[in-house]
Amino acid sequence: GENVEQHPSTLSVQEGDSAVIKCTYSDSASNYFPWYKQELGKGPQLIIDIRSNVGEKKDQRIAVTLNKTAKHFSLHITETQPEDSAVYFCAAGDSWGKLQFGAGTQVVVTP
Amino acid sequence: ETGVTQTPRHLVMGMTNKKSLKCEQHLGHNAMYWYKQSAKKPLELMFVYNFKEQTENNSVPSRFSPECPNSSHLFLHLHTLQPEDSALYLCASSQDTGQGGGYTFGSGTRLTVV
Repeated sequence: GENVEQHPSTLSVQEGDSAVIKCTYSDSASNYFPWYKQELGKGPQLIIDIRSNVGEKKDQRIAVTLNKTAKHFSLHITETQPEDSAVYFCAAGDSWGKLQFGAGTQVVVTP
Repeated sequence: ETGVTQTPRHLVMGMTNKKSLKCEQHLGHNAMYWYKQSAKKPLELMFVYNFKEQTENNSVPSRFSPECPNSSHLFLHLHTLQPEDSALYLCASSQDTGQGGGYTFGSGTRLTVV
């Protein structure tokens, strides 16, 4: 089955700097890669996703890149703000809709 | 609110108790999921329902019993739990399992087994 590894497990950045979280997956059948943000006391919320026919997608300060050959995908947050502090999860899924999640990255943005 | 509502938000139960977790969505989704979230571990898929039919049971102990009476409601019945079952239980929904799309999560039920 699919195995998703996520790094780093914790990431501390200065406000205004960029944050990058990286994930790798094992199943070449995976074709859908969402990213979720989980704030304290809430469930994970979808913030951006990318499908395997696209190499990069951007939405304001967040972007995701996908390298299908290397089975890598990354989340980039630019101009970080304190409200970006949360746990971020990557996931990989196939056409059957089943998602496998990474272990999460705790992002702390310090003013 | 995400459109997926879970109740209760917090639950403390003894090992001999029986309780139920409830999940409700009115997003028109046909697939619903139960996940277990423990500290410093990946989200663990427990059960998948698609059009009210259970399509996956991820080797979950029988002390967890799911029920899906319709596409909008999902329950997790709990009995004779162990302290290691303490975790955040998340419900999610998606259009259906064949679409390969994103999930919408509820806020979870924080379960403590004493």
